[in-house]
Amino acid sequence: GQQVMQIPQYQHVQEGEDFTTYCNSSTTLSNIQWYKQRPGGHPVFLIQLVKSGEVKKQKRLTFQFGEAKKNSSLHITATQTTDVGTYFCADAGNTGKLIFGQGTTLQVKP
Amino acid sequence: EADIYQTPRYLVIGTGKKITLECSQTMGHDKMYWYQQDPGMELHLIHYSYGVNSTEKGDLSSESTVSRIRTEHFPLTLESARPSHTSQYLCASSEFSPIEQFFGPGTRLTVL
Repeated sequence: GQQVMQIPQYQHVQEGEDFTTYCNSSTTLSNIQWYKQRPGGHPVFLIQLVKSGEVKKQKRLTFQFGEAKKNSSLHITATQTTDVGTYFCADAGNTGKLIFGQGTTLQVKP
Repeated sequence: EADIYQTPRYLVIGTGKKITLECSQTMGHDKMYWYQQDPGMELHLIHYSYGVNSTEKGDLSSESTVSRIRTEHFPLTLESARPSHTSQYLCASSEFSPIEQFFGPGTRLTVL
């Protein structure tokens, strides 16, 4: 069935360094959503990308959707300790069901 | 701030017990979902509902059952809990698809 692969699984960075997580699918994605889950918390919606090649920014976060709609990325510029958590991408088809990637857990050393 | 609630937040029970995990939302959303998540792992959809009296099984097979008698309420029941059911259970809702899902705080279940 449909699978969404996310890499890397873990990333440790020094505060101030950049961070990127990648999401890949073997099939075309309808829409892609990104969520953040803080340690011990629940997923919180960050953004949805719909169009091929779309780029959206939220302060230090930049989200991209590939031209072929088979991959997406989340880039954080100059990480802060508040960025710690697990970032999930999810294939959001029109059925309403989300298929989540495995997540990338970000640790930030102060 | 999303208004979706789950109780209990933590539950430790013995094997063979029947349990019900509660999920309620006050946003009037038609769509509701149950996910299972092991620590540090991805979320797996186990049940979903698109409205009252509508329930479907998700992509991950689960021995649990759900009901949707009222729009705001989507409880999950395990008739006979086993240690393999130990996990975190997250409830979510959305207004329509594809749009963001709002997640509850989760129930951490431990079956001894």
